[in-house]
Amino acid sequence: AQRVTQPEKLLSVFKGAPVELKCNYSYSGSPELFWYVQYSRQRLQLLLRHISRESIKGFTADLNKGETSFHLKKPFAQEEDSAMYYCALSVPSGTYKYIFGTGTRLKVLA
Amino acid sequence: DGGITQSPKYLFRKEGQNVTLSCEQNLNHDAMYWYRQDPGQGLRLIYYSQIVNDFQKGDIAEGYSVSREKKESFPLTVTSAQKNPTAFYLCASRQGHTGNTIYFGEGSWLTVV
Repeated sequence: AQRVTQPEKLLSVFKGAPVELKCNYSYSGSPELFWYVQYSRQRLQLLLRHISRESIKGFTADLNKGETSFHLKKPFAQEEDSAMYYCALSVPSGTYKYIFGTGTRLKVLA
Repeated sequence: DGGITQSPKYLFRKEGQNVTLSCEQNLNHDAMYWYRQDPGQGLRLIYYSQIVNDFQKGDIAEGYSVSREKKESFPLTVTSAQKNPTAFYLCASRQGHTGNTIYFGEGSWLTVV
């Protein structure tokens, strides 16, 4: 069965410190992985996806198939990065199933 | 304003009553989804639908039912069989191609008393 694991419920860092939000997945095929972010009182929205290999708001994520991980990183955290972050996996083989991890709350302290 | 509309935003119901949450999208998306969001448990998939008149159970479908009679609509019924229905429910949709983003509604808070 497909599964997404985010081991940290809460991550607190100081402003300017590096951030790494962990995400591990289990899926036997080639996964499509995403990071979504939910700011306070806003809808869940896409942050980035692995197929784009892009950097959004300074965040990057690399798919490591050997370790089945898709960790989200930012070299210097900002206070406005405080939010709930969800890692998600899409099953690309036609079923359109889309599952999320339990989320990590990031708090960036001044 | 295009997007996904969920209604109502807040709903109170007595235990034992069925309740239906509405989800409408005008994005012309093929796939639609219902999730339940509980503190510490993230988003759990209830049901999803790839196409009209077809839907599949997600990970926590027991006590819920859906229909997909129109492309733009995917209502969720929370039945009396659902043991712990009080939760925040999110509807989402996406175009039916690999790699595409999923878009969310604003959510519906259901409280059963």
